Amino acid sequence: EAGVVQSPRYKIIEKKQPVAFWCNPISGHNTLYWYLQNLGQGPELLIRYENEEAVDDSQLPKDRFSAERLKGVDSTLKIQPAELGDSAVYLCASSSNLGQVYNEQFFGPGTRLTVL
Amino acid sequence: AQSVTQLDSQVPVFEEAPVELRCNYSSSVSVYLFWYVQYPNQGLQLLLKYLSGSTLVKGINGFEAEFNKSQTSFHLRKPSVHISDTAEYFCAVTLPSNAGGTSYGKLTFGQGTILTVHP
Repeated sequence: EAGVVQSPRYKIIEKKQPVAFWCNPISGHNTLYWYLQNLGQGPELLIRYENEEAVDDSQLPKDRFSAERLKGVDSTLKIQPAELGDSAVYLCASSSNLGQVYNEQFFGPGTRLTVL
Repeated sequence: AQSVTQLDSQVPVFEEAPVELRCNYSSSVSVYLFWYVQYPNQGLQLLLKYLSGSTLVKGINGFEAEFNKSQTSFHLRKPSVHISDTAEYFCAVTLPSNAGGTSYGKLTFGQGTILTVHP
């Protein structure tokens, strides 16, 4: 079974440029998460989707960040315009929703963004 | 709100020695607890989790952790480490599904502990 796929793995851009990250979750997983991981820190949740609905986007900086999951499968996270402080690793995770006590989140390898 | 504190940012240890990575959490309600491992340039992999029941939980790669409610701790241990255990380890918490609201499923992570195993 393929894991969570993210692309690109690495991205270098100049500040004020736009950038987009793509995530394809594990097949059948209807919950998708985007996390931000700054250097030397643990991941922080940006947004969580249940199918195509964003059910928790309270930590997403909406002035420059946007996300979509139009068909409830793959997702795109966008930053426009990028700032120096956006340099970080952007992680995508997915989980099933089988009504269990806890549904494990499976993480992708992340996209490392460097803003110059 | 929940929070997690990992007491050591870096832990160096020699191969075959025992190791303990410390984690304390803060929450006004019951939580689920996790340890994840992150190898260089890879995503996070679940080592073990505590949901309920026995306070000693065993995970993959010979790791185990003990939940201590009175001390609000969830320390990770391994009796004998290998070079391949060199990685960054994250402790995390989340609310149970019956907590309601949008916080269910949101993992709150600690700052991470870099474990370096020397030959």
